[in-house]
Amino acid sequence: KNQVEQSPQSLIILEGKNCTLQCNYTVSPFSNLRWYKQDTGRGPVSLTIMTFSENTKSNGRYTATLDADTKQSSLHITASQLSDSASYICVVSANRGSTLGRLYFGRGTQLTVWP
Amino acid sequence: DTAVSQTPKYLVTQMGNDKSIKCEQNLGHDTMYWYKQDSKKFLKIMFSYNNKELIINETVPNRFSPKSPDKAHLNLHINSLELGDSAVYFCASSQFIGPYEQYFGPGTRLTVT
Repeated sequence: KNQVEQSPQSLIILEGKNCTLQCNYTVSPFSNLRWYKQDTGRGPVSLTIMTFSENTKSNGRYTATLDADTKQSSLHITASQLSDSASYICVVSANRGSTLGRLYFGRGTQLTVWP
Repeated sequence: DTAVSQTPKYLVTQMGNDKSIKCEQNLGHDTMYWYKQDSKKFLKIMFSYNNKELIINETVPNRFSPKSPDKAHLNLHINSLELGDSAVYFCASSQFIGPYEQYFGPGTRLTVT
């Protein structure tokens, strides 16, 4: 069964600190993995997208890693800011047959950054 | 602005009513989607259309009927609304069907009373 699990469910950190969010998946056949940021009341916005051959990708203070062998990914946020408070969603795409184009969503990690 | 837009942003209605949510994308994309996000923030795909043709139809009640008049529009019509339909509905689009980047609209918060 194609699933995406994220941890922790929620996280509170102080402004300026770093944090790491985790994502494990069982989606097959794997095509790519994305991290989305969803601000309250808004639609998800893509942060990074990684294919099978990529094991790290950065977007400013966001760095995503991918281990396709263990089917794990992490999103590291450096020097957090208040505006980082949001839900971070791990999304895995399958690439063949009836699953073509389908995205499998994790339930997200709700990050709160306190001043 | 190039974007995915949805109307209305908020929709409050009573059980049993019929309502529609409209979605438009001006990105020139071939593929459009409808997602439902429940109170626990879990996003789940409902439908996907590619060039006006239905590609994905999850186990959604047949009270939900998507309509794509052209590839820039994918509207969602819901008949006989139920309390459990209360959620945020997101429209999205991607350039083609497959593992392409999806761009999401701002969402429509539907509340059924």
